[in-house]
Amino acid sequence: SQKIEQNSEALNIQEGKTATLTCNYTNYSPAYLQWYRQDPGRGPVFLLLIRENEKEKRKERLKVTFDTTLKQSLFHITASQPADSATYLCALDREQAGTALIFGKGTTLSVSS
Amino acid sequence: NAGVMQNPRHLVRRRGQEARLRCSPMKGHSHVYWYRQLPEEGLKFMVYLQKENIIDESGMPKERFSAEFPKEGPSILRIQQVVRGDSAAYFCASSATEGGYLNYGYTFGSGTRLTVV
Repeated sequence: SQKIEQNSEALNIQEGKTATLTCNYTNYSPAYLQWYRQDPGRGPVFLLLIRENEKEKRKERLKVTFDTTLKQSLFHITASQPADSATYLCALDREQAGTALIFGKGTTLSVSS
Repeated sequence: NAGVMQNPRHLVRRRGQEARLRCSPMKGHSHVYWYRQLPEEGLKFMVYLQKENIIDESGMPKERFSAEFPKEGPSILRIQQVVRGDSAAYFCASSATEGGYLNYGYTFGSGTRLTVV
């Protein structure tokens, strides 16, 4: 069955550095991969999506890559700020029925000043 | 545009009671998805509904849980005879079209936090 792994539960970095979060998946080849941000007590907020035929997508300080050979996506936040501190979730389209997304458990990023 | 509205934000129920969680999708959205988030767990898909139809309920427990999305009014997730293990955050998301979430992402509500005591 489909499996998504986000490589670490927590990531601590200094302000100004680049944060890199990893999402690995197995047993499936998704056509779409998405990244969300979730703050405590709030619902996830959509950030970026990337399709299987795209290698890289950018939006302001965010960059997502998608390597279908490695079955991996990397999510980068450049020039990180304390306000970037949150949990980041990756999500794939479901293999079964294709009617919804499945989510990883998330990586909690803490940016210290 | 008020976004996806969920209520109540917090709900406390005693074991054996019923819990009703409501979700009003974004204006113009007719596709609703319910997810559950347990402590230390990821978001788990429960059910996908369109107006008056359940399209995919493969993630929903077979007993005690039901969902509906009537022609008028919000979508309702109903949990009968709640147990402590039902304590979780329940999120609703909506999209405008079937598969629209694939190209534009989900719009989530702020969730209902259910506590069973």
